Formats: sequence, C-alpha cells, structure tokens
Amino acid sequence: QVQLQESGPGLVKPSETLSLSCTVSNGFISSYYWSWIRQPPGKGLEWIGYIYYSGSTNYNPSLNSRVTISLDTSMNLFSLKLTSVTAADTAVYFCARLGEDGYNLDCWGQGTLVTVSS
Amino acid sequence: DIRVTQSPSSLSASLGDRVIITCRASQSISTYLNWYQQKPGKAPKLLIYAASTLESGVPSRFSGSGSGTDFTLTISSLQPEDFATYYCQQSYSTPWTFGQGTKVEIK
Repeated sequence: QVQLQESGPGLVKPSETLSLSCTVSNGFISSYYWSWIRQPPGKGLEWIGYIYYSGSTNYNPSLNSRVTISLDTSMNLFSLKLTSVTAADTAVYFCARLGEDGYNLDCWGQGTLVTVSS
Repeated sequence: DIRVTQSPSSLSASLGDRVIITCRASQSISTYLNWYQQKPGKAPKLLIYAASTLESGVPSRFSGSGSGTDFTLTISSLQPEDFATYYCQQSYSTPWTFGQGTKVEIK
C-alpha cells in the first residue's frame, strides 16, 4: 500500500515562502499524478494543484501566480512552494495521489499544519 | 469555477438510520463527482468515485448516485464509525472544487 508523508516547517513568516515535501513510499512516483490540497483550521478543503510524473502541472488559478509544484523522481518525492504567504495561507496541507482514472484522490498523506505568523 | 453545494451542512442521526447527503453542482459535471469521509485530525478518505463506484475496501452500506448536477451519498444503516464530515468534490474541470462539507453527528 503506497504511503505519503508530508514534511517541512510548521511556521512561516508573512511574505516568505512556504516549502513542503511529500515522500512517497511503498510505490513509485512514476505513472501517476500527484496533488496538494489544503484545509484552513475548522474550514473546508481547497485544491492547490497537481503534477504528472512527466512534470506537467495544473494549478488553482486563485493561487497560480504564487504556487509551484515539482517532483524529484530520484528521491521519489514531490514538493510544494507557495510564495508571499499571509495569514490566510495558514492551513493543514495534504499531499495526495490521483487514482488510476486521474479524476479522484485515492491516497492521502496525514497532513501537516503550517502556520503563517511573525 | 464550478461551485459545489452540499446539503445539509450538518445532521444528527441515530445508529441504524439511513442518511442521505446531497451535492449540487453549478453546471453539469456528468459523473465526475467523488465523495470523501474525514474524521477529526485525519486526512480525507475516498469513499465513492465517478458518482457511484465504491472505492475498494469501503463498506457496502455506502452508495452514491446521480449525474449532471445532482448527486447523493447514502449511508444505508449508520454505524458508530460513520460519524464524520463528508465532502463531495467535482473533477469535471479544474480548478477542482469541494463542497463545504456535511457533519454527521450522533443524535
């Protein structure tokens, strides 16, 4: 069973860059799409974007100018960078795998809370 | 963006009850509709994809139906482990969007 694990700083200062990684274990990053989703405390889910193992990406336009998703096949991980963060970016960030048909999120990491505060 | 609206936002139900949660999309999304269950402090878990296909390992008391703009998630007989928040999500077009969630609580 493939497992995903997010890692990165839990506290980021306003205007700085949020950087997270998602390590994929018990499976290969090749041949799947990989996604980031976030959830502000006590609120609903927001899709951030996804990347294919080939490197092609699709981002939520609400974050498009600030977000970059990349992957490292040699390390079997993919990453999220979100620039110029504000308190509104405080959330639990989840990484996830898209299912075989590419239209659902069938495997999720446990999530990591990132707080934006000075 | 396609808006996805769930109802109700919360409900109270007893063990063994039949529970129905609805999801309405702002435009037709064919059957590109998924359902997730989330428990406090945990990641969402895929229950139903493509509107009506049960994800492997999910109990058969969960079922989904609908196409176009109107969808339902049904729990045929509520069990203790089913108390959670449920989200629908459209994958017809990006940006993918989620409903606001339905919290199922114990009556």
